[in-house]
Amino acid sequence: GAVVSQHPSRVICKSGTSVKIECRSLDFQATTMFWYRQFPKKSLMLMATSNEGSKATYEQGVEKDKFLINHASLTLSTLTVTSAHPEDSSFYICSASGTGNYEQYFGPGTRLTVT
Amino acid sequence: AQTVTQSQPEMSVQEAETVTLSCTYDTSENNYYLFWYKQPPSRQMILVIRQEAYKQQNATENRFSVNFQKAAKSFSLKISDSQLGDTAMYFCAFSTGTASKLTFGTGTRLQVTL
Repeated sequence: GAVVSQHPSRVICKSGTSVKIECRSLDFQATTMFWYRQFPKKSLMLMATSNEGSKATYEQGVEKDKFLINHASLTLSTLTVTSAHPEDSSFYICSASGTGNYEQYFGPGTRLTVT
Repeated sequence: AQTVTQSQPEMSVQEAETVTLSCTYDTSENNYYLFWYKQPPSRQMILVIRQEAYKQQNATENRFSVNFQKAAKSFSLKISDSQLGDTAMYFCAFSTGTASKLTFGTGTRLQVTL
């Protein structure tokens, strides 16, 4: 149990375009989802926390207008990178937790390359 | 704000030997949770072991065990009988509770050799 999927696993897009990454909890209801960014050989940096039906809470320094997060249902959260630039190239990982659960379950990640 | 420190960027251990990865943290909270995650080359984050701060007994999961010293704010991971499949990046992480964000350390790259 507690499986989280991400789609796509890797995506290449041109500079200036937008790209959407989906995070789904497959066998539980995810009341809270988290989005992380990981640079090569670095740790995970939290970008934002989203609760189902509410606006996401962004970490300091993360542009909310650039990284749009939607958590419209208990099984799906999306991250849209708007007007992508090469510096947005990174590995994006989502995680999810259910009601009353302190443990987070991680998706397999999405490698974004902006050319 | 909580911080998590892993002072060993890289470690190496021979197969079948034991290795200990260090982690210290700083917090003013009394109730919290600590985790060790493994990230193999596939980059999928895998939970290795977790510890609730209110529990005095150290957590164990098969070959993995922790040494949790609450007063010293230390949370080390011991891997016994190391296997080649243990080669990965290991992250120590901290959380204050349900629906709370994880604060990660910088990671320790573990290489298990023949």
